[in-house]
Amino acid sequence: NAGVTQTPKFQVLKTGQSMTLQCAQDMNHEYMSWYRQDPGMGLRLIHYSVGAGITDQGEVPNGYNVSRSTTEDFPLRLLSAAPSQTSVYFCASSRGAGGQETQYFGPGTRLLVL
Amino acid sequence: EDQVTQSPEALRLQEGESSSLNCSYTVSGLRGLFWYRQDPGKGPEFLFTLYSAGEEKEKERLKATLTKKESFLHITAPKPEDSATYLCAVQAYSNTGKLIFGQGTTLQVKP
Repeated sequence: NAGVTQTPKFQVLKTGQSMTLQCAQDMNHEYMSWYRQDPGMGLRLIHYSVGAGITDQGEVPNGYNVSRSTTEDFPLRLLSAAPSQTSVYFCASSRGAGGQETQYFGPGTRLLVL
Repeated sequence: EDQVTQSPEALRLQEGESSSLNCSYTVSGLRGLFWYRQDPGKGPEFLFTLYSAGEEKEKERLKATLTKKESFLHITAPKPEDSATYLCAVQAYSNTGKLIFGQGTTLQVKP
């Protein structure tokens, strides 16, 4: 199993540009989520999905869109990038959303918005 | 509001010098408390899950414990390869699937 994979590893954008961060998992996990990690802020939840076709907002959803058309993939879209979205983005997945389920993280995407 | 606070922010130890990392939490009904290790430039790596006060789990030189208000990650006789940032996160019954993370403790173990 490859686990949770993310592409690209690093991206530079100009303000106003759009892009999609890709996330895929091969563990047949129902629950997937996106976090951003900023210095001094810890990891914060952006959006999550409890299964294909179902998504919901997390703590910091503004400026981001998600969709879940398959169990395996959970892309994160930035519609119009802003410097405040400079961060490291992590995708995570687990079998379910219950407290007994361990969330496994991908290697991250470093995004710089100029 | 659910909250997680980790202390200290940074910790420097000599190889073999045991210590503890603290994770204090406020949550409306704890569903689970998670410890992760994060190496520079990489994603968090799962270490432990604790569910109820009094529970303890061990893995090599690491031991995690849980009370009703805090969790400790005890590191016994650490080695340089234990150097990393250790993250604590909680999941509440009211927030299914959502992890609330602390800011992490960065541990440096010198040979």
